[in-house]
Amino acid sequence: QKEVEQNSGPLSVPEGAIASLNCTYSDRGSQSFFWYRQYSGKSPELIMFIYSNGDKEDGRFTAQLNKASQYVSLLIRDSQPSDSATYLCVTTGGFKTIFGAGTRLFVKA
Amino acid sequence: DGGITQSPKYLFRKEGQNVTLSCEQNLNHDAMYWYRQDPGQGLRLIYYSQIVNDFQKGDIAEGYSVSREKKESFPLTVTSAQKNPTAFYLCASSSRPSSLGELFFGEGSRLTVL
Repeated sequence: QKEVEQNSGPLSVPEGAIASLNCTYSDRGSQSFFWYRQYSGKSPELIMFIYSNGDKEDGRFTAQLNKASQYVSLLIRDSQPSDSATYLCVTTGGFKTIFGAGTRLFVKA
Repeated sequence: DGGITQSPKYLFRKEGQNVTLSCEQNLNHDAMYWYRQDPGQGLRLIYYSQIVNDFQKGDIAEGYSVSREKKESFPLTVTSAQKNPTAFYLCASSSRPSSLGELFFGEGSRLTVL
């Protein structure tokens, strides 16, 4: 079992729709959770982080964390073609950082 | 502008050769990291350094070596002992241990073995 599991996609949504990206993790000691966006051939960039159970909103992005279910999600409202990228779910605990393989999102204009 | 600079962006290596990837940061970060990215896999940690003159092996250190003689610089050498070096290499830094804060990435170096 992978330590951080993501559906590889591609997840295809029409422009203006809500994109929902999901992630599960196996280490119950994980403390912090990050979502990075990576455009093809480029390096990852941080878009959201969340430490506590519940929702955290930042503009069009909402991160959701449920530690009991070991589940993290990222919602992107009003999806734009420029949101088309791979989204990496990342968990950390102690000094260990684990990257998921990423979900490819394609937003159709 | 503060950031992380990796060079070269593209590199071709013949089998049996050692190559060195450069990573320089002007963010005044203590911690620096090298990751390897392969298609369909998450980033995997090669080496990390929390302070000058100290570095630790990550999950896939075999066939790689690093040095941290200056705070700003963390070069990675891919040796001939690395059996499958073709990959996208990413250097990152952070102001705090990565478990607490954001990782800032360079633009990456794509290594291809001929």
